[in-house]
Amino acid sequence: GAGVSQSPSNKVTEKGKDVELRCDPISGHTALYWYRQSLGQGLEFLIYFQGNSAPDKSGLPSDRFSAERTGGSVSTLTIQRTQQEDSAVYLCASSFKVRDTQYFGPGTRLTVL
Amino acid sequence: GEDVEQSLFLSVREGDSSVINCTYTDSSSTYLYWYKQEPGAGLQLLTYIFSNMDMKQDQRLTVLLNKKDKHLSLRIADTQTGDSAIYFCAVDSGAGSYQLTFGKGTKLSVIP
Repeated sequence: GAGVSQSPSNKVTEKGKDVELRCDPISGHTALYWYRQSLGQGLEFLIYFQGNSAPDKSGLPSDRFSAERTGGSVSTLTIQRTQQEDSAVYLCASSFKVRDTQYFGPGTRLTVL
Repeated sequence: GEDVEQSLFLSVREGDSSVINCTYTDSSSTYLYWYKQEPGAGLQLLTYIFSNMDMKQDQRLTVLLNKKDKHLSLRIADTQTGDSAIYFCAVDSGAGSYQLTFGKGTKLSVIP
């Protein structure tokens, strides 16, 4: 079956603009996770969803970051007033339920000029 | 919090075995994972091991876990050029944890 998909695959934006990154999880997976991979760094956990609710938002780096998930499926990560330090690859993962094995999408490479 | 360490680079000749090592700090970790990332791609789950096991074999892959030393390794037998990628070790933070902590990744280069 189809894996986790993300769009766009690449996004170049100017400092100060807002961006939206989309994640489409594996069908039937109830849990969805966002991570950030910065150059030379490991993966940094941002947020996870169980269904449509996000019990833990503590990984979001600032209040410019927000995420939502509607219908228990697609999720959108929004970054407002982007800064150059937001440049990274944003990875989404899903699992059948929370704490199950996580399967990752190909990521969105965000470049803030 | 949890800390996961890996060496950054490994270079091996085609046909040799590769061993990628990882150390972690949280002794309550229950699942430990190895992911592979090829250039421009997302993370592909390779294998995982449950903390009550000390070895798991899956075709060319062997995972060894030394829980006492908090040391995890991934052995790739008969390494091929297609194995060239970055390999990430990831661990959870114990039973009930949803968050994975990743190492920075080991870049494996296979020399033909």
